[in-house]
Amino acid sequence: AQSVSQHNHHVILSEAASLELGCNYSYGGTVNLFWYVQYPGQHLQLLLKYFSGDPLVKGIKGFEAEFIKSKFSFNLRKPSVQWSDTAEYFCAVNARNNAGNMLTFGGGTRLMVKT
Amino acid sequence: NAGVTQTPKFQVLKTGQSMTLQCAQDMNHEYMSWYRQDPGMGLRLIHYSVGAGITDQGEVPNGYNVSRSTTEDFPLRLLSAAPSQTSVYFCASRPRQGSNEKLFFGSGTQLSVL
Repeated sequence: AQSVSQHNHHVILSEAASLELGCNYSYGGTVNLFWYVQYPGQHLQLLLKYFSGDPLVKGIKGFEAEFIKSKFSFNLRKPSVQWSDTAEYFCAVNARNNAGNMLTFGGGTRLMVKT
Repeated sequence: NAGVTQTPKFQVLKTGQSMTLQCAQDMNHEYMSWYRQDPGMGLRLIHYSVGAGITDQGEVPNGYNVSRSTTEDFPLRLLSAAPSQTSVYFCASRPRQGSNEKLFFGSGTQLSVL
C-alpha cells in the first residue's frame, strides 16, 4: 500500500522567507503526485501536480515542487512567502496501478507566516 | 456553478445515533469520494465511487456505508455513531477515474459524536 510522510507538522516563517516543505512517499511503482492547500475556513484546492515529464513543476501563487524519483520525494518550495500563504498544505500520491482511485494524503503541514 | 455541495455543515450526534451526510455535485463527474480529516493524520479515504451503482472501500471504511444511485449524489451513512467518528468529513469529485486529474472538494461537514 502507498503511504505519504510529511515531516514538518508546523512551520512558522516571517514574510519574505523561503519555504520548503518535505514530502516522501512509499510506493515502488509509477505514481502521480499532488500538493493541495487548505486556507483557513476553506476547502482543499490544488496547488500543483506531477504525472510525467519535467520533474520540476510550477503551480499557482509562485509555488513549485520537484519530483526526485530516487529519493521518493516531492518537496514543495516557494522563494518568498507572504502572509496570505498561511494555510495547511497536504502532499498526496496516486498509484497508477489502481487507476488513481485511491489518493493517499500525508498528515499535512500547518504554515504560519508572520508579518 | 455550485460544484460540490455538502450538507449539513455542522452536526452533533449522540453515541449510537445514525445519520446521513449528503454530497451532491452538478458537474457530471464520474468519480466521487468521501474523506475524513483528523489532526496530524491528513485526509483518509473512506469510500469512493467510479460511477452510478459502483462503490468501493477506501482506507477506513468501517462504520460507514455509501451508495451511488445517481451520478450527482453520493451520501455517506453512519449506522451507529461512535466518538471515534468525530471528525471533519469532505466529499470530493473529479470528472473521470483518471489518476492525474484534480479533485474538487466540498466545504466539509464537522461532526461531533458525544
